[in-house]
Amino acid sequence: GAVVSQHPSRVICKSGTSVKIECRSLDFQATTMFWYRQFPKQSLMLMATSNEGSKATYEQGVEKDKFLINHASLTLSTLTVTSAHPEDSSFYICSARDREPNEQFFGPGTRLTVL
Amino acid sequence: GQNIDQPTEMTATEGAIVQINCTYQTSGFNGLFWYQQHAGEAPTFLSYNVLDGLEEKGRFSSFLSRSKGYSYLLLKELQMKDSASYLCAVQDSNYQLIWGAGTKLIIKP
Repeated sequence: GAVVSQHPSRVICKSGTSVKIECRSLDFQATTMFWYRQFPKQSLMLMATSNEGSKATYEQGVEKDKFLINHASLTLSTLTVTSAHPEDSSFYICSARDREPNEQFFGPGTRLTVL
Repeated sequence: GQNIDQPTEMTATEGAIVQINCTYQTSGFNGLFWYQQHAGEAPTFLSYNVLDGLEEKGRFSSFLSRSKGYSYLLLKELQMKDSASYLCAVQDSNYQLIWGAGTKLIIKP
């Protein structure tokens, strides 16, 4: 299957700082990328859908000014958590969908810990 | 509203067979996925069903009945490494995945 990478895999930061997470599709062009958040023992929660070259569509309850998403190319989307707080600590996972819409390929995830 | 139901936890014995059920109510249907997720890792794809019937892939099989809004994942010859959470997800009319909460499968020797 297709490969999606995420960087960094783990990040620890101080409260109030901003953190950028990259999601790359390595061997295909992803017209759509999805950002998920997963709290311990809970299911994946879709945060936003990112289409290349256009603004991201955020799910209800997700602050677009706090979680900045940029999908500048067909192989890269970034999620920036601005002014992070301890409650933002979570496992952030991206996925990418290529031109065949029947499968999403997941990145390995980024564990964010905000102190 | 959209809803995916699956059992929270199941326990099975190594070498046995286990069936994990999933029922769904969604706005539109463009396929049902099963993913495996080990603790601390991202989900990995197991199966995809869009037509009624059974899809077999090695030790894992997945069944779908669209009229009943029902699917199951069947795991045979269970191994200790199969201990994980199994997530059922339905792709709705907008091709977004609607996720179940996952079933934690515990394998005992």
